[in-house]
Amino acid sequence: AQSVAQPEDQVNVAEGNPLTVKCTYSVSGNPYLFWYVQYPNRGLQFLLKYITGDNLVKGSYGFEAEFNKSQTSFHLKKPSALVSDSALYFCAVRDYGQNFVFGPGTRLSVLP
Amino acid sequence: EADIYQTPRYLVIGTGKKITLECSQTMGHDKMYWYQQDPGMELHLIHYSYGVNSTEKGDLSSESTVSRIRTEHFPLTLESARPSHTSQYLCASSGQGAHEQYFGPGTRLTVT
Repeated sequence: AQSVAQPEDQVNVAEGNPLTVKCTYSVSGNPYLFWYVQYPNRGLQFLLKYITGDNLVKGSYGFEAEFNKSQTSFHLKKPSALVSDSALYFCAVRDYGQNFVFGPGTRLSVLP
Repeated sequence: EADIYQTPRYLVIGTGKKITLECSQTMGHDKMYWYQQDPGMELHLIHYSYGVNSTEKGDLSSESTVSRIRTEHFPLTLESARPSHTSQYLCASSGQGAHEQYFGPGTRLTVT
């Protein structure tokens, strides 16, 4: 069975500093991996995905993520955090089946 | 911004009422999903559909029902609302060739 772990409920970072939001996964076969962001009272917005190819994927709003197969991780990163990045972030995995499994979410707070 | 719509955005209703939450998408996606999410918490898949006249229950047991008579429309119905149904309901869709899901803005339901 697929599973996704986001080991940190909350991540705090100062504006201008780099940020990392962690994600590890378990899936049989090759994973499709995703990051979504959710702002208050909104649905989830797609940020980026890894399907195949280069382990470093770039997405919206300056975010990127690195796929590490040996560590089964897909951490989200940004070189310089903005206050407007403060939101809830979800990692998700999908295998050859059609459904997604989402992690529990990590709340990112960027402090001015 | 993805073309997936949910109405109403907010609903306060009394116990025992029948309600239908609407979800429509204009992207021609064959797959559609309903998730239940308590504020700031993880997503739980409650229903999904891989095409017209195809519906399945998700991982989280739900007293709601769904229908898929048209590709673009995936309504969710609660025959008799209870306070335990108070939550946010998110609709999503995905299509052939697009690995990610696109989410609607959500319906925040409060049952008094």
